[in-house]
Amino acid sequence: DGGITQSPKYLFRKEGQNVTLSCEQNLNHDAMYWYRQDPGQGLRLIYYSQIVNDFQKGDIAEGYSVSREKKESFPLTVTSAQKNPTAFYLCASRPFVRGNYGYTFGSGTRLTVV
Amino acid sequence: AQTVTQSQPEMSVQEAETVTLSCTYDTSESNYYLFWYKQPPSRQMILVIRQEAYKQQNATENRFSVNFQKAAKSFSLKISDSQLGDTAMYFCAFVEGAQKLVFGQGTRLTINP
Repeated sequence: DGGITQSPKYLFRKEGQNVTLSCEQNLNHDAMYWYRQDPGQGLRLIYYSQIVNDFQKGDIAEGYSVSREKKESFPLTVTSAQKNPTAFYLCASRPFVRGNYGYTFGSGTRLTVV
Repeated sequence: AQTVTQSQPEMSVQEAETVTLSCTYDTSESNYYLFWYKQPPSRQMILVIRQEAYKQQNATENRFSVNFQKAAKSFSLKISDSQLGDTAMYFCAFVEGAQKLVFGQGTRLTINP
């Protein structure tokens, strides 16, 4: 079945460490997105990419980095510069089709700083 | 910047009742898309219903329907014959030309037996 796979489901990071969250899709979708979810704050956009080797900052990009070397993959690195990384991270994708029929989401990664 | 506002942080109704969740948004665009997403305790985001702004007719998906008032920039979700499985966080979302999905803060809906 087609879908988006996020791994790991749970991730623990020590202070000062960089960690990378994986997002892979087999839907042949063109655009991919990373969102952060904190309690009571909805989802906020971190980065997005509409084509391979190109990406744009979202509303809260500071302390994060991404790459898009393959259409299927859009990993997110949480760097040590991100001061409060504990959150739930969701990856999403969307095809470029006439009209806009919604985004497909992965099942998320819960990141905790220990 | 586009904003989406959900004014009801929490709602609770009895099973089989009808419930309406409110959403307002702000944009200067004339064509855009609106969505309601459901996030159950599993935290998987599930698309409930979508509406294209240039369509006058309100979207309907089984027990879920919307009341889209373009002039008022309002997009409410009505759930009829509510079921225990409808218990979840519900997010209103908006996207326009920049293709960035913008979310409201969410409404936590509890269906009581």
